[in-house]
Amino acid sequence: QVQLVESGGGVVQPGRSLRLSCAASGFTFSDYGMHWVRQAPGKGLEWVALIWYDGSNKYYADSVKGRFTISRDNSKNTLYLQMDSLRAEDTAVYYCARDLEPGSYVLGSDYWGQGTLVTVSS
Amino acid sequence: DIQMTQSPSSLSASVGDRVTITCRASQSIGSYLNWYQQKPGKAPKLLIYTASSLQSGVPPRFTGSGSGTDFSLTISSLQPEDFATYYCQQSFSTPLFGQGTRLEIK
Repeated sequence: QVQLVESGGGVVQPGRSLRLSCAASGFTFSDYGMHWVRQAPGKGLEWVALIWYDGSNKYYADSVKGRFTISRDNSKNTLYLQMDSLRAEDTAVYYCARDLEPGSYVLGSDYWGQGTLVTVSS
Repeated sequence: DIQMTQSPSSLSASVGDRVTITCRASQSIGSYLNWYQQKPGKAPKLLIYTASSLQSGVPPRFTGSGSGTDFSLTISSLQPEDFATYYCQQSFSTPLFGQGTRLEIK
């Protein structure tokens, strides 16, 4: 069965860095686009970043552009989010999510991880 | 940039009621509109994609409609498990979620 398991969250000081990972299993990871979506405590969903199946194209929300980097290692079935210059407003649960169909980036995401909490605080 | 306006922000209803949530885009997005359900402490669940396509395993009491700038999600007869928060998401350009609609038991 499809599984997405995030890791790497924790407490970090403002201005520091953190790398999140999302381990995928149960499907051909290299066929699917992948997303990071976050949710601040008590707030709504915010899309963060998208990477194509082969890593050739990446897209970011304006709020993280220039600070966050999405990447993937298809040989390890793993998605990453490198978060630099972290701010208090980056505090959130971060979810990884899979595109509904291979090669389609517009149909929404059908599988999500359980989320990992990132807290940016001094 | 495309803006998404979801309404209402909250809604009280009873089991068996028919409810409709709307989502408006600031410019035409064709049919690139998806709907999600989220329960507290859980990841979102895809209900509807491309405005009206029912995701596998989702009960048919959920229907989506609309195109261009105006979209709606209708639940025909509320069940106890439907009380949750619902989000629209445009995928015409870089994805963007609406603000959410919290559906509560009356």
